[in-house]
Amino acid sequence: DADVTQTPRNRITKTGKRIMLECSQTKGHDRMYWYRQDPGLGLRLIYYSFDVKDINKGEISDGYSVSRQAQAKFSLSLESAIPNQTALYFCATSDLPRFTGELFFGEGSRLTVL
Amino acid sequence: QKEVEQDPGPLSVPEGAIVSLNCTYSNSAFQYFMWYRQYSRKGPELLMYTYSSGNKEDGRFTAQVDKSSKYISLFIRDSQPSDSATYLCAMSPQGAQKLVFGQGTRLTINP
Repeated sequence: DADVTQTPRNRITKTGKRIMLECSQTKGHDRMYWYRQDPGLGLRLIYYSFDVKDINKGEISDGYSVSRQAQAKFSLSLESAIPNQTALYFCATSDLPRFTGELFFGEGSRLTVL
Repeated sequence: QKEVEQDPGPLSVPEGAIVSLNCTYSNSAFQYFMWYRQYSRKGPELLMYTYSSGNKEDGRFTAQVDKSSKYISLFIRDSQPSDSATYLCAMSPQGAQKLVFGQGTRLTINP
């Protein structure tokens, strides 16, 4: 089983619908992240959480919200999806206390908003 | 202007060639420099990590950081078809576990 699991892997939805992407990890890491990937734009940080009680906005948080339900679970929600939120979404984790630049990514959730 | 700029390619080279991938950046606070490799339909995986300036070698891969020029490079020697992937540079300031990624370069190694 993967260390960082994202569900669903693929989702097609309509404008205005509420969508939740879920992430769970078995690595025991405290820090979790949500990124989106778009062609030509690379990976951009949406939200990150350094522990269960700590939630921080990234560079593109507008239109998104998150919930850290437990150390191992971090969910991303789109309250009212719009077409420009069509993208590949990645959850990632990192370890404490030493930072070596390594994020551990899930396999991605491809979201299409029609 | 983006903090990190990377030529998105695509880049196509024959097997055995030396590949050079590059990124430039504008934030002088960056201290950690990484290269990630992403295969199709997979999440990125850390390939190389360098702290501050200098070179680092790992098998066929060499990472170089030139902080005076705000320029980093990844060299792949004796490239193989299995090296075909998207390569993303990433950077982070001291003490911050937030990475800023380049746009990624799509590389194809032709047999």
